[in-house]
Amino acid sequence: KAGVTQTPRYLIKTRGQQVTLSCSPISGHRSVSWYQQTPGQGLQFLFEYFSETQRNKGNFPGRFSGRQFSNSRSEMNVSTLELGDSALYLCASSARTSGRSNEQFFGPGTRLTVL
Amino acid sequence: GDSVTQMEGPVTLSEEAFLTINCTYTATGYPSLFWYVQYPGEGLQLLLKATKADDKGSNKGFEATYRKETTSFHLEKGSVQVSDSAVYFCALSVPGNTPLVFGKGTRLSVIA
Repeated sequence: KAGVTQTPRYLIKTRGQQVTLSCSPISGHRSVSWYQQTPGQGLQFLFEYFSETQRNKGNFPGRFSGRQFSNSRSEMNVSTLELGDSALYLCASSARTSGRSNEQFFGPGTRLTVL
Repeated sequence: GDSVTQMEGPVTLSEEAFLTINCTYTATGYPSLFWYVQYPGEGLQLLLKATKADDKGSNKGFEATYRKETTSFHLEKGSVQVSDSAVYFCALSVPGNTPLVFGKGTRLSVIA
């Protein structure tokens, strides 16, 4: 079974630009979550999509947005980039069953550098 | 709110040494607990998990026991290898709420 894939793996942008990152979950998984990882703040939850609907949202400004398509693939968009947006953006997929174990499987991440 | 506290790193050990990384948590519900590992340049991999009190998760020689009375989930390994060098994250999730809440991570370096 193929794992979670993220594209691109690396991106360099300048302040004020916008960027779109893509995530393809494990086949059969309908939940996709996004996390931002920085040295200072660690791993922070951005949002979760399930069946094309945003189910949870972290504490990030409106410049961060996302969507999910009918095939469960997800994109996140960051507009008006700031230097502080430089981070590793991780996507995770899960089956989101009713069981207790919310096991999430992570992709390799997209490394975004804002100059 | 829910939170996870891990011991600060970095931790440097010699090969075959015993490893303990402390993790304690605060949660409003009855969480599931996880240890993830991140190797250089990679995403996170689930190392082990436990979903109820006194459960012991284990994988690749690593173990952690869910201790509800002390709200802890310490990671242990009896004999570390150079290949265990990575960053280890303790995390929790509360049933009915997807987002994982992570600790700050502990960097482990194992030297031959």
